[in-house]
Amino acid sequence: DGGITQSPKYLFRKEGQNVTLSCEQNLNHDAMYWYRQDPGQGLRLIYYSQIVNDFQKGDIAEGYSVSREKKESFPLTVTSAQKNPTAFYLCASSITSGSSTDTQYFGPGTRLTVL
Amino acid sequence: GQQLNQSPQSMFIQEGEDVSMNCTSSSIFNTWLWYKQEPGEGPVLLIALYKAGELTSNGRLTAQFGITRKDSFLNISASIPSDVGIYFCAGQHLDTGGFKTIFGAGTRLFVKA
Repeated sequence: DGGITQSPKYLFRKEGQNVTLSCEQNLNHDAMYWYRQDPGQGLRLIYYSQIVNDFQKGDIAEGYSVSREKKESFPLTVTSAQKNPTAFYLCASSITSGSSTDTQYFGPGTRLTVL
Repeated sequence: GQQLNQSPQSMFIQEGEDVSMNCTSSSIFNTWLWYKQEPGEGPVLLIALYKAGELTSNGRLTAQFGITRKDSFLNISASIPSDVGIYFCAGQHLDTGGFKTIFGAGTRLFVKA
């Protein structure tokens, strides 16, 4: 089945530790995105990548890092510099980025809790 | 920057009632999207709208792209308990570097059986 997978579903980490969230897609989409969702809030864009080996900061990139070494993978690292990392993290992909018909499709999300 | 105002924030309705929610902006959008998110899951695309005035249905859901291109609404007819969730609108607009997508804050729908 084609789709977007995120792992793990739940993640716990101690303060001061870096943690990496996985996002994989087999839709052959060029563009991938990471969003953060806090309780009762909408989606805020962390980073996005329009093509392999290229990525751009979104609205709340501080304390996060990404890589895009393969088309199907876009891992997100939450660093110890992120002051309030507990949140629900959503990965999305679209065929391309920059077209008015680029519809984003979402993965199931990873809930990160910092203890 | 661009902002979407989605309303209402939440709705508590009885099973069988019709529901209406909308998104507005002071800016023009080229595409409107409506998603539904169930607890602990990622948003799922319900309807995509690409032309001003477009009216599109998906089962009991109907969405319209406003004529001014600054708003969109989503209607759900004869609601059922499984309609519970958060409904997000998203608009795409032309920005430097291409089209960008922004999301509304969501409408939380609660349906009482």
